[in-house]
Amino acid sequence: SAVISQKPSRDICQRGTSLTIQCQVDSQVTMMFWYRQQPGQSLTLIATANQGSEATYESGFVIDKFPISRPNLTFSTLTVSNMSPEDSSIYLCSVRLGAYEQYFGPGTRLTVT
Amino acid sequence: AQSVTQPDIHITVSEGASLELRCNYSYGATPYLFWYVQSPGQGLQLLLKYFSGDTLVQGIKGFEAEFKRSQSSFNLRKPSVHWSDAAEYFCAVASTTSGTYKYIFGTGTRLKVLA
Repeated sequence: SAVISQKPSRDICQRGTSLTIQCQVDSQVTMMFWYRQQPGQSLTLIATANQGSEATYESGFVIDKFPISRPNLTFSTLTVSNMSPEDSSIYLCSVRLGAYEQYFGPGTRLTVT
Repeated sequence: AQSVTQPDIHITVSEGASLELRCNYSYGATPYLFWYVQSPGQGLQLLLKYFSGDTLVQGIKGFEAEFKRSQSSFNLRKPSVHWSDAAEYFCAVASTTSGTYKYIFGTGTRLKVLA
């Protein structure tokens, strides 16, 4: 497994502002993922972030709204831009380890007012 | 289309009772299956996984799951539930079609444990 940390753990933000969420892993990994979990819902994949290449976004998510950086094999950031109350969610990062499994960070709970 | 279905949104059991959480998948190739648990305010913790071989897999916290290809199911079981098992449980399949890799999650089952 891996130890994955996220910062901040929670935040309350004003609409129209942006928040950058950090994800740090204690080992080098190729594939990292960012998910959104809206209240009471399952996880929805936002994008896959591989080091050395542009992030691949899922349908319904765009780079202008959710820019992602992946500067090295242990770190990634997700920015939620121009926030609205609909962006209030838990944002989780995960990493692919082993053959097919993923391990998840503790999540960032975002409230937009 | 690839999908994962968890038919039960909520399940309530008494402490000490047995538990079975259902998961059905639709996936054309060999499925790589997972169960995760999410306690309130926490991230997801991997309970167990199935790739191949023995269809009954053991996981952490006393959980097990059985893969049944004929029924496209991967149900999670525990013989005796503890109050600390109250959480949200997610079933997932790793999709590796078209050279890409990602998870497909079920909608989750929220478990409530009565004292």
